[in-house]
Amino acid sequence: EDQVTQSPEALRLQEGESSSLNCSYTVSGLRGLFWYRQDPGKGPEFLFTLYSAGEEKEKERLKATLTKKESFLHITAPKPEDSATYLCAVSYGGSQGNLIFGKGTKLSVKP
Amino acid sequence: DGGITQSPKYLFRKEGQNVTLSCEQNLNHDAMYWYRQDPGQGLRLIYYSQIVNDFQKGDIAEGYSVSREKKESFPLTVTSAQKNPTAFYLCASIDGDSNQPQHFGDGTRLSIL
Repeated sequence: EDQVTQSPEALRLQEGESSSLNCSYTVSGLRGLFWYRQDPGKGPEFLFTLYSAGEEKEKERLKATLTKKESFLHITAPKPEDSATYLCAVSYGGSQGNLIFGKGTKLSVKP
Repeated sequence: DGGITQSPKYLFRKEGQNVTLSCEQNLNHDAMYWYRQDPGQGLRLIYYSQIVNDFQKGDIAEGYSVSREKKESFPLTVTSAQKNPTAFYLCASIDGDSNQPQHFGDGTRLSIL
């Protein structure tokens, strides 16, 4: 069964305490993996797209990496404003493509 | 600025009532999507449309209907047949094929009166 699993469900960090979020997937024919940030009561905001194993993308304190089975979102020296739910989505399959979203990781960063 | 506008932000439905959620985009994207988001669950696809006057059912289409008469607009109707409509509804659009990321609106929260 095609699946996307995010872990942990929730993560509490102190300001400046670096950590990583995980997105593991089991799909056939990966077309792309997307990371989003979602604030309460808002729509997801696009962060990164990764297309092939070994690819990395960076933006400010965030760095996304991809292997053949999983992706990591590394957060370096987080600040309270990084608190949000981070969603992972995987596009896979034939020409029309399919998209599966993970359930998200809720990140809280305390000052 | 280009983007996706969803309205209203909050909506209340009475028993037996149909309600319509609006989604408008000025990104000139061909494909548009409707998702439902429930606490503790991933986004689930309700309907999608890749071109004007054409749309397909997603994973949870029962109790919902859509139309796509204009490229910019993709309204979603939650019918009285949807027995558990309380959720956060998100509209998205995409530029090109599924290799590209979807862009989202800020959602409509629907509750039962």
